Amino acid sequence: ETGVTQSPTHLIKTRGQQVTLRCSSQSGHNTVSWYQQALGQGPQFIFQYYREEENGRGNFPPRFSGLQFPNYSSELNVNALELDDSALYLCASRTGFTDTQYFGPGTRLTVL
Amino acid sequence: DQQVKQNSPSLSVQEGRISILNCDYTNSMFDYFLWYKKYPAEGPTFLISISSIKDKNEDGRFTVFLNKSAKHLSLHIVPSQPGDSAVYFCAASGAGSYQLTFGKGTKLSVIP
Repeated sequence: ETGVTQSPTHLIKTRGQQVTLRCSSQSGHNTVSWYQQALGQGPQFIFQYYREEENGRGNFPPRFSGLQFPNYSSELNVNALELDDSALYLCASRTGFTDTQYFGPGTRLTVL
Repeated sequence: DQQVKQNSPSLSVQEGRISILNCDYTNSMFDYFLWYKKYPAEGPTFLISISSIKDKNEDGRFTVFLNKSAKHLSLHIVPSQPGDSAVYFCAASGAGSYQLTFGKGTKLSVIP
């Protein structure tokens, strides 16, 4: 059974640019969530996708958007990057019948 | 408004002794609680969970206690081992929303 994988591991962008982060769910998991973890903080929920549709969103602006594909992999897109977007971005997957989410290793995004 | 609070940023414990990590929550709609462990440069790893219909759950060296009236939960690790040194996050979900709300984490150091 493969775990959750994310790419890339690290990324450096400049303010105003756009970025796409990718996630492959754990085998058998049909729900994926994205979290942002700023330095010294706990992860904060961005949004969740189930059957290719967003079905939950945290307190993040519309420039944070996502996609889920038929194979349950997912993308997080962030437009018009700001310095405060620098963080660890975590993807988590689960089946539709459990609250327990399993996290990937994260993508470290630095915005200069 | 922080709905999940971990008031101790750090904790040091001697190897072989008990580690007790605490977590308080304010949202009475939370009905499922989880503990995650995080090493540097890795994603959070699921440790143990508890539903609000229980007050205790054990898994090997790890036990989680839930006191609903006090809105308090704790994670006990017995005996503590140097490999347990990590940041521990308390998380909660509820009311049909599988979104996880995290605390800021407690850094546990187990001293050999």
